[in-house]
Amino acid sequence: AQSVTQLDSQVPVFEEAPVELRCNYSSSVSVYLFWYVQYPNQGLQLLLKYLSGSTLVESINGFEAEFNKSQTSFHLRKPSVHISDTAEYFCAVRRDQAGTALIFGKGTTLSVSS
Amino acid sequence: DAGVIQSPRHEVTEMGQEVTLRCKPISGHNSLFWYRQTMMRGLELLIYFNNNVPIDDSGMPEDRFSAKMPNASFSTLKIQPSEPRDSAVYFCASSFSARGYTEAFFGQGTRLTVV
Repeated sequence: AQSVTQLDSQVPVFEEAPVELRCNYSSSVSVYLFWYVQYPNQGLQLLLKYLSGSTLVESINGFEAEFNKSQTSFHLRKPSVHISDTAEYFCAVRRDQAGTALIFGKGTTLSVSS
Repeated sequence: DAGVIQSPRHEVTEMGQEVTLRCKPISGHNSLFWYRQTMMRGLELLIYFNNNVPIDDSGMPEDRFSAKMPNASFSTLKIQPSEPRDSAVYFCASSFSARGYTEAFFGQGTRLTVV
């Protein structure tokens, strides 16, 4: 079975500071990896995903994540955060097989203050 | 497409009552997932369907919970009888299940409060 561990439940940062949200996964088979973002009172939106190929993936709003197979990690980073990045971030894993479900970590709350 | 549509958005009910949550997946998607979100346990997968067939219901907490998908465009999650510990936000998500199509699209959720 797959599992996901998000190492930090809350990450407070100041605006324009860099941030890293950590995610580790465990799986005995090949997996796909995802980061979703949830703004207050909303559903989850896909931020970025790793399927194959380049281990560094980027989102349109400046976030990036790097797949590290040897460390079974998929940490999310942004070099300079904005107030609007305040949200809950979820790391998720899915088996490399059609018809399987996403398994989520418990989430990390990113709070950006001025 | 309007995305995944869940109803109602909010539900307040008394303990012991039956609760039915509804979901309309994105047209053309053939996988549907029900998740429950709480502060204590995060996002838990309750059950998922492929082509209207339940594949894995191991996350359903008790026999009080049941889910159906009578056709490709509709699913329900029922709790009978409801209890205060069922209070949570319930999300429905859908995806197209084929190699290379991987992400799930989420509805806005139903916030259930059982008093």
